[in-house]
Amino acid sequence: QSALTQPASVSGSPGQSITISCTGTTSDIGSYNLVSWYQHHPGKAPNFMIYEGSKRPSGVSNRFSGSKSGNTASLTISGLQAEDEADYYCCSFAGSGGVVFGGGTKLTVL
Amino acid sequence: QVQLVQSGAEVRNPGASVKVSCKASGYTFASFGISWVRQAPGQGLEWMGWIGVYNGNTNNAQKFQGRVTMTTDTSTSTAYMELRSLRSDDTAMYYCARETGSGPFFDYWGQGTLVTVSS
Repeated sequence: QSALTQPASVSGSPGQSITISCTGTTSDIGSYNLVSWYQHHPGKAPNFMIYEGSKRPSGVSNRFSGSKSGNTASLTISGLQAEDEADYYCCSFAGSGGVVFGGGTKLTVL
Repeated sequence: QVQLVQSGAEVRNPGASVKVSCKASGYTFASFGISWVRQAPGQGLEWMGWIGVYNGNTNNAQKFQGRVTMTTDTSTSTAYMELRSLRSDDTAMYYCARETGSGPFFDYWGQGTLVTVSS
Protein backbone atom coordinates (compact mmCIF):
# COMPACT_ATOMS: atom_id res chain seq x y z
CA GLN A 1 0.00 0.00 0.00
CA SER A 2 1.61 3.29 -1.11
CA ALA A 3 1.47 6.40 1.01
CA LEU A 4 -1.03 9.08 0.10
CA THR A 5 0.50 12.07 -1.70
CA GLN A 6 0.73 15.41 0.10
CA PRO A 7 2.77 18.52 -0.72
CA ALA A 8 5.94 18.59 1.32
CA SER A 9 5.33 22.11 2.54
CA VAL A 10 2.87 24.99 2.48
CA SER A 11 3.06 28.42 4.02
CA GLY A 12 0.84 31.38 4.79
CA SER A 13 0.73 34.57 6.76
CA PRO A 14 -1.30 35.03 9.93
CA GLY A 15 -4.97 35.52 9.12
CA GLN A 16 -4.72 33.91 5.70
CA SER A 17 -6.17 30.57 4.61
CA ILE A 18 -4.24 27.59 3.29
CA THR A 19 -5.30 24.26 1.82
CA ILE A 20 -3.39 21.00 1.99
CA SER A 21 -4.23 18.35 -0.58
CA CYS A 22 -4.02 14.60 -0.12
CA THR A 23 -4.21 12.41 -3.21
CA GLY A 24 -4.89 8.71 -3.08
CA THR A 25 -6.42 6.13 -5.37
CA THR A 26 -9.63 4.26 -5.95
CA SER A 27 -8.35 1.72 -3.42
CA ASP A 28 -8.42 4.18 -0.54
CA ILE A 29 -9.73 7.76 -0.61
CA GLY A 30 -11.79 7.18 -3.73
CA SER A 31 -13.67 4.21 -2.31
CA TYR A 32 -14.24 5.15 1.32
CA ASN A 33 -15.43 8.23 3.18
CA LEU A 34 -12.95 7.37 5.93
CA VAL A 35 -10.36 10.12 5.67
CA SER A 36 -8.93 11.74 8.78
CA TRP A 37 -6.39 14.50 9.40
CA TYR A 38 -3.82 14.91 12.18
CA GLN A 39 -1.78 17.86 13.38
CA HIS A 40 1.65 16.91 14.67
CA HIS A 41 3.93 19.24 16.57
CA PRO A 42 7.43 17.72 16.71
CA GLY A 43 8.08 15.86 19.95
CA LYS A 44 4.41 15.61 20.84
CA ALA A 45 1.62 13.17 20.14
CA PRO A 46 -0.48 13.89 17.04
CA ASN A 47 -3.79 15.71 17.42
CA PHE A 48 -7.02 14.41 15.85
CA MET A 49 -8.44 17.22 13.68
CA ILE A 50 -10.89 15.86 11.09
CA TYR A 51 -12.68 12.54 10.52
CA GLU A 52 -14.99 11.11 7.87
CA GLY A 53 -13.49 13.65 5.52
CA SER A 54 -15.17 16.74 6.93
CA LYS A 55 -16.28 16.25 10.52
CA ARG A 56 -14.56 17.99 13.42
CA PRO A 57 -14.11 16.24 16.76
CA SER A 58 -15.31 18.10 19.81
CA GLY A 59 -12.88 20.82 20.81
CA VAL A 60 -11.30 21.35 17.38
CA SER A 61 -11.52 24.91 16.11
CA ASN A 62 -13.95 25.59 13.25
CA ARG A 63 -11.00 27.22 11.46
CA PHE A 64 -10.17 23.68 10.38
CA SER A 65 -12.31 22.12 7.67
CA GLY A 66 -12.05 19.11 5.42
CA SER A 67 -13.47 18.01 2.10
CA LYS A 68 -13.14 15.23 -0.45
CA SER A 69 -13.58 14.98 -4.18
CA GLY A 70 -12.85 11.77 -6.02
CA ASN A 71 -9.47 10.43 -4.98
CA THR A 72 -8.38 13.68 -3.30
CA ALA A 73 -9.05 14.96 0.20
CA SER A 74 -8.24 18.46 1.39
CA LEU A 75 -7.69 20.23 4.68
CA THR A 76 -8.29 23.97 4.86
CA ILE A 77 -7.12 26.13 7.73
CA SER A 78 -8.59 29.62 7.80
CA GLY A 79 -7.45 32.57 9.89
CA LEU A 80 -3.95 31.15 10.24
CA GLN A 81 -2.39 31.50 13.67
CA ALA A 82 1.18 30.99 14.80
CA GLU A 83 0.23 27.89 16.79
CA ASP A 84 -1.03 26.22 13.61
CA GLU A 85 2.58 25.77 12.52
CA ALA A 86 3.05 22.00 12.54
CA ASP A 87 3.15 18.93 10.33
CA TYR A 88 -0.19 17.73 8.98
CA TYR A 89 -1.00 14.18 7.93
CA CYS A 90 -3.96 12.76 6.07
CA CYS A 91 -5.02 9.18 6.62
CA SER A 92 -7.42 6.85 4.85
CA PHE A 93 -8.91 3.42 5.23
CA ALA A 94 -7.64 1.23 2.40
CA GLY A 95 -9.83 -1.85 2.61
CA SER A 96 -7.97 -5.08 3.13
CA GLY A 97 -4.79 -3.05 2.89
CA GLY A 98 -5.56 -1.57 6.22
CA VAL A 99 -4.81 2.10 6.80
CA VAL A 100 -2.50 4.43 4.93
CA PHE A 101 -1.08 7.83 5.89
CA GLY A 102 0.09 10.64 3.67
CA GLY A 103 3.72 11.64 3.65
CA GLY A 104 3.01 14.74 5.70
CA THR A 105 2.96 18.47 4.97
CA LYS A 106 4.97 21.01 6.92
CA LEU A 107 2.95 24.18 7.50
CA THR A 108 4.96 27.33 8.07
CA VAL A 109 3.22 30.44 9.37
CA LEU A 110 5.23 33.36 8.04
CA GLN B 1 -9.73 11.84 31.11
CA VAL B 2 -8.53 9.42 28.47
CA GLN B 3 -4.82 8.69 28.68
CA LEU B 4 -2.48 6.29 26.93
CA VAL B 5 0.87 5.99 28.69
CA GLN B 6 3.65 4.13 26.90
CA SER B 7 6.75 2.43 28.20
CA GLY B 8 10.15 4.09 28.08
CA ALA B 9 12.80 4.30 25.38
CA GLU B 10 14.55 1.11 24.28
CA VAL B 11 17.87 0.34 22.61
CA ARG B 12 18.32 -2.97 20.82
CA ASN B 13 20.91 -4.67 18.69
CA PRO B 14 20.02 -5.68 15.12
CA GLY B 15 18.21 -9.01 15.08
CA ALA B 16 16.75 -8.56 18.56
CA SER B 17 13.12 -8.00 19.57
CA VAL B 18 11.39 -5.20 21.41
CA LYS B 19 8.04 -5.09 23.21
CA VAL B 20 6.38 -1.73 23.79
CA SER B 21 3.48 -1.30 26.20
CA CYS B 22 0.60 1.17 26.20
CA LYS B 23 -1.46 1.49 29.38
CA ALA B 24 -4.92 2.96 28.93
CA SER B 25 -7.03 4.79 31.48
CA GLY B 26 -10.10 6.98 31.61
CA TYR B 27 -12.33 4.80 29.43
CA THR B 28 -13.59 1.24 29.02
CA PHE B 29 -10.55 -0.44 27.50
CA ALA B 30 -12.43 -3.22 25.75
CA SER B 31 -14.74 -0.85 23.92
CA PHE B 32 -12.14 0.57 21.52
CA GLY B 33 -9.45 -0.83 19.26
CA ILE B 34 -5.80 0.16 19.44
CA SER B 35 -3.56 0.87 16.47
CA TRP B 36 0.19 1.21 16.41
CA VAL B 37 1.83 3.91 14.30
CA ARG B 38 5.52 4.67 13.93
CA GLN B 39 7.60 7.60 12.70
CA ALA B 40 11.18 7.07 11.62
CA PRO B 41 13.56 10.04 11.90
CA GLY B 42 12.70 12.63 9.26
CA GLN B 43 9.89 10.50 7.89
CA GLY B 44 6.09 10.52 8.05
CA LEU B 45 3.64 8.49 10.06
CA GLU B 46 3.32 4.81 9.19
CA TRP B 47 0.45 2.57 10.29
CA MET B 48 1.65 -0.79 11.56
CA GLY B 49 -1.54 -2.54 12.53
CA TRP B 50 -4.60 -2.74 14.73
CA ILE B 51 -5.96 -4.92 17.48
CA GLY B 52 -9.59 -5.21 18.53
CA VAL B 53 -9.37 -5.26 22.29
CA TYR B 54 -12.78 -6.89 22.72
CA ASN B 55 -12.02 -10.00 20.69
CA GLY B 56 -8.27 -9.91 20.08
CA ASN B 57 -8.63 -9.75 16.30
CA THR B 58 -5.68 -8.16 14.56
CA ASN B 59 -4.95 -6.64 11.16
CA ASN B 60 -1.32 -5.86 10.41
CA ALA B 61 0.15 -3.91 7.54
CA GLN B 62 1.60 -6.28 4.99
CA LYS B 63 5.04 -4.76 5.49
CA PHE B 64 5.15 -6.03 9.09
CA GLN B 65 3.38 -9.36 8.75
CA GLY B 66 5.40 -12.14 10.33
CA ARG B 67 7.47 -9.69 12.35
CA VAL B 68 4.95 -7.95 14.57
CA THR B 69 2.60 -9.24 17.27
CA MET B 70 -0.06 -7.10 18.91
CA THR B 71 -1.71 -8.23 22.12
CA THR B 72 -3.72 -6.82 24.98
CA ASP B 73 -4.19 -7.55 28.68
CA THR B 74 -7.66 -6.46 29.67
CA SER B 75 -6.94 -7.07 33.35
CA THR B 76 -4.44 -4.19 33.29
CA SER B 77 -5.89 -2.22 30.35
CA THR B 78 -2.58 -2.51 28.55
CA ALA B 79 -1.81 -3.06 24.89
CA TYR B 80 1.49 -4.45 23.67
CA MET B 81 3.36 -4.37 20.38
CA GLU B 82 6.28 -6.72 19.84
CA LEU B 83 8.54 -6.26 16.81
CA ARG B 84 11.09 -8.98 16.02
CA SER B 85 14.19 -9.29 13.85
CA LEU B 86 14.93 -5.62 14.31
CA ARG B 87 16.89 -3.73 11.66
CA SER B 88 18.46 -0.29 11.74
CA ASP B 89 15.56 1.10 9.73
CA ASP B 90 13.19 0.11 12.55
CA THR B 91 14.66 2.97 14.56
CA ALA B 92 11.63 5.15 15.12
CA MET B 93 9.19 6.68 17.55
CA TYR B 94 6.38 4.19 18.12
CA TYR B 95 2.91 5.39 19.09
CA CYS B 96 -0.20 3.60 20.25
CA ALA B 97 -3.48 5.26 19.37
CA ARG B 98 -7.07 4.61 20.31
CA GLU B 99 -9.47 4.07 17.43
CA THR B 100 -12.89 5.66 17.60
CA GLY B 101 -15.78 3.32 17.15
CA SER B 102 -16.80 4.70 13.76
CA GLY B 103 -13.71 3.97 11.71
CA PRO B 104 -9.91 4.04 11.59
CA PHE B 105 -9.78 7.42 13.31
CA PHE B 106 -7.28 7.89 16.11
CA ASP B 107 -8.66 10.20 18.75
CA TYR B 108 -6.13 9.67 21.57
CA TRP B 109 -2.44 8.91 21.27
CA GLY B 110 0.28 7.76 23.60
CA GLN B 111 3.31 9.96 24.17
CA GLY B 112 5.49 7.73 22.00
CA THR B 113 8.30 5.27 22.69
CA LEU B 114 11.66 5.76 20.98
CA VAL B 115 13.17 2.49 19.81
CA THR B 116 16.76 2.69 18.63
CA VAL B 117 18.30 -0.22 16.77
CA SER B 118 22.06 -0.02 16.70
CA SER B 119 25.05 -2.25 17.15
